Amino acid sequence: SQKIEQNSEALNIQEGKTATLTCNYTNYSPAYLQWYRQDPGRGPVFLLLIRENEKEKRKERLKVTFDTTLKQSLFHITASQPADSATYLCALPPRGAGSYQLTFGKGTKLSVIP
Amino acid sequence: GAGVSQSPRYKVAKRGQDVALRCDPISGHVSLFWYQQALGQGPEFLTYFQNEAQLDKSGLPSDRFFAERPEGSVSTLKIQRTQQEDSAVYLCASQALAGTFSYEQYFGPGTRLTVT
Repeated sequence: SQKIEQNSEALNIQEGKTATLTCNYTNYSPAYLQWYRQDPGRGPVFLLLIRENEKEKRKERLKVTFDTTLKQSLFHITASQPADSATYLCALPPRGAGSYQLTFGKGTKLSVIP
Repeated sequence: GAGVSQSPRYKVAKRGQDVALRCDPISGHVSLFWYQQALGQGPEFLTYFQNEAQLDKSGLPSDRFFAERPEGSVSTLKIQRTQQEDSAVYLCASQALAGTFSYEQYFGPGTRLTVT
């Protein structure tokens, strides 16, 4: 089964800096990888999806990279703001077509300090 | 707009009681998932429906867990004879038909179950 490691349980950064979160997986390379944001007491919210043939994806201040050789995805938030403080989850689908459930990492709790 | 809703938001059960957790997915979404999230962990897959068919229940931890979606919309997750280790947040997620190549899942707020 797929194992996912997210670099740290908690990450504190100063407002305005770039936050970089890491997601490593150990088994097969998935067809795509997703990142979600979760606030306390709420369900995860989808942010970005990157496919195996894409190196990089951007959405506003967010950037995701996907390196299938390293089995790693990096998630960047540029010009971070206190409102970006949340837990960020990396998620992968299972091997093969027709299956859509996700395997999630433990998440990284990001705190942006004013 | 209506997102995924879940009820109740909080449930306290005594050990041995049965509980039923409800999920109302986004209207028209074909796929529905149940996940269990322990404190400090990511969500873990329990079961998956496509319309009313339960296509995968490999994540259900024991035969005390049962899920249904009889008309292909609302789903209920039932836990019989609850145990303390069942205490967790139960998340429901829905997804548009996969043929649209939209793989994002829309989550509800979850039901926090505490077994005493």
